[in-house]
Amino acid sequence: NAGVTQTPKFQVLKTGQSMTLQCAQDMNHEYMSWYRQDPGMGLRLIHYSVGAGITDQGEVPNGYNVSRSTTEDFPLRLLSAAPSQTSVYFCASSGGFGQYFGPGTRLTVT
Amino acid sequence: KNEVEQSPQNLTAQEGEFITINCSYSVGISALHWLQQHPGGGIVSLFMLSSGKKKHGRLIATINIQEKHSSLHITASHPRDSAVYICAVRSYSGGGADGLTFGKGTHLIIQP
Repeated sequence: NAGVTQTPKFQVLKTGQSMTLQCAQDMNHEYMSWYRQDPGMGLRLIHYSVGAGITDQGEVPNGYNVSRSTTEDFPLRLLSAAPSQTSVYFCASSGGFGQYFGPGTRLTVT
Repeated sequence: KNEVEQSPQNLTAQEGEFITINCSYSVGISALHWLQQHPGGGIVSLFMLSSGKKKHGRLIATINIQEKHSSLHITASHPRDSAVYICAVRSYSGGGADGLTFGKGTHLIIQP
């Protein structure tokens, strides 16, 4: 099993550009989440999904969209990048044995 | 919203020392996770527990539901244990699909 995979690992955007962070898992988990991690702060939930076709907002959803068309994939879209979105982004899926995190995407918005 | 506090924020110890990291939370939970994040960023789940104690190798996690407190212990610490250790709790309500609220982490350095 590959677990949770994320692409890209690094990305630099200019203010106003849009992009999609990809996330996929092969463990057949229903629950998937996107977090951002900023210096001095804990991981914060952006959006989550409890299954295909169902998504909801977390703690810091503004500026981000998600969709869940399949159990495996949970992409995160930045609609119009802002410098405040410079962060490290983690995708995670949850199963009976705990949380599984992707390797992270380091995003810089200039 | 559940408040999760970890202590200490930073800890430097010598190889071989017994390490304790503490986590307290403010409201009832259904589960608590301990995570490890190495330099370079990858996050690994160490434990998920809802009561009692779990052990894996040199790592031991305990939780006291009544006191809303958990500890992560490392026995015979080694430089490769150097990492950030993160406590996360799953609340009964709110916080998302898995209701996880994260502490800010404990930065552990084990010196040879």
